[in-house]
Amino acid sequence: DGGITQSPKYLFRKEGQNVTLSCEQNLNHDAMYWYRQDPGQGLRLIYYSQIVNDFQKGDIAEGYSVSREKKESFPLTVTSAQKNPTAFYLCASTHRSSNQPQHFGDGTRLSIL
Amino acid sequence: AQSVTQLGSHVSVSEGALVLLRCNYSSSVPPYLFWYVQYPNQGLQLLLKYTSAATLVKGINGFEAEFKKSETSFHLTKPSAHMSDAAEYFCAVSGNTGNQFYFGTGTSLTVIP
Repeated sequence: DGGITQSPKYLFRKEGQNVTLSCEQNLNHDAMYWYRQDPGQGLRLIYYSQIVNDFQKGDIAEGYSVSREKKESFPLTVTSAQKNPTAFYLCASTHRSSNQPQHFGDGTRLSIL
Repeated sequence: AQSVTQLGSHVSVSEGALVLLRCNYSSSVPPYLFWYVQYPNQGLQLLLKYTSAATLVKGINGFEAEFKKSETSFHLTKPSAHMSDAAEYFCAVSGNTGNQFYFGTGTSLTVIP
């Protein structure tokens, strides 16, 4: 079945550590997205990419980095500069046409040790 | 610029009662509108989408939504609530630029037995 796979499901970060969240899709979608979800705040866009080797900052990009070396993969790194990383992180993808819905992975919950 | 507003962050209904979740949008171009459902610790699942084909849109699990341009609304309804409908619901709008989606802050639905 086609879909989006996020790993790991749960992740713990130590002080000063960078951690990388994985997102892989086999839907042949062009665009991929990373969102952060905090209670009561809905989804906030961190980064998005519409094509391989290109990506744009979203509303809350500070303290995060991404890469898009392959169409299928869009990993997110939470750097030590992100002082409040505890949240639920969601990856999504869609075809380039804007009338197509975004498809979501099952998320990664990141916590601080 | 596009945005959505979901009125009521928490809605409670009795089992078997009508479900009405409100969404108003703001868009300078004809919008594409979506409703998603999220169960705890999971990603978002598409319920239905409006892409200008018909103003009354039927989705999964008995949900439907009506696009009303004059009221800039896209409210989600279900005639009879079931216990399994308890979840978080998000309204989203997509415009014609950048493939960006704009999500509402969500409505948490509680179903009372």
